Amino acid sequence: SQKIEQNSEALNIQEGKTATLTCNYTNYSPAYLQWYRQDPGRGPVFLLLIRENEKEKRKERLKVTFDTTLKQSLFHITASQPADSATYLCALYPYSSASKIIFGSGTRLSIRP
Amino acid sequence: DAGVTQSPTHLIKTRGQQVTLRCSPKSGHDTVSWYQQALGQGPQFIFQYYEEEERQRGNFPDRFSGHQFPNYSSELNVNALLLGDSALYLCASTSLAGGLYFGPGTRLTVT
Repeated sequence: SQKIEQNSEALNIQEGKTATLTCNYTNYSPAYLQWYRQDPGRGPVFLLLIRENEKEKRKERLKVTFDTTLKQSLFHITASQPADSATYLCALYPYSSASKIIFGSGTRLSIRP
Repeated sequence: DAGVTQSPTHLIKTRGQQVTLRCSPKSGHDTVSWYQQALGQGPQFIFQYYEEEERQRGNFPDRFSGHQFPNYSSELNVNALLLGDSALYLCASTSLAGGLYFGPGTRLTVT
């Protein structure tokens, strides 16, 4: 069956360190993959998109990698800050379903001062 | 430039009732998608509207229906509410960059 898996456990990181979040998928052929940030009680906010032919994408302190062989994406936040504390969602845009972006259940990240 | 707006913010309904949620997409966006997000889960795709027609649909029963108006705004209707319909309902419009712009959501509680 098709699955998207993110770290189910919350991730606690010391301020200033690099936070790394994982997104694994099975039985999908994604055209591209996206990462979103969601704060409690609010809608997700789009952060980054990476296409299947791209290995890495960067935006300020954020970096995303996409390995279609491993069927995995890694999301890095460097020099993490308490304001980065939120839930981070990965989402796949599969070739097979043009409009149905499919979300993982998210990883809660806490950055302690 | 207003982003995606949704109304109402919160809603409490009783089992068996019907509910209508509303959404206005970000200016310049013509495609609207609706998602249901249960607590602790990621958003689940309900359906997408483009040019006033339902273009794609997720695994939701016919109790969930929608509409898109000529000004691109949209409504989500849910009939015969069940306790399990309690969730955050998110509307999103599509950007040229490929990401979804989400609204703040409507928190629906069914008692």
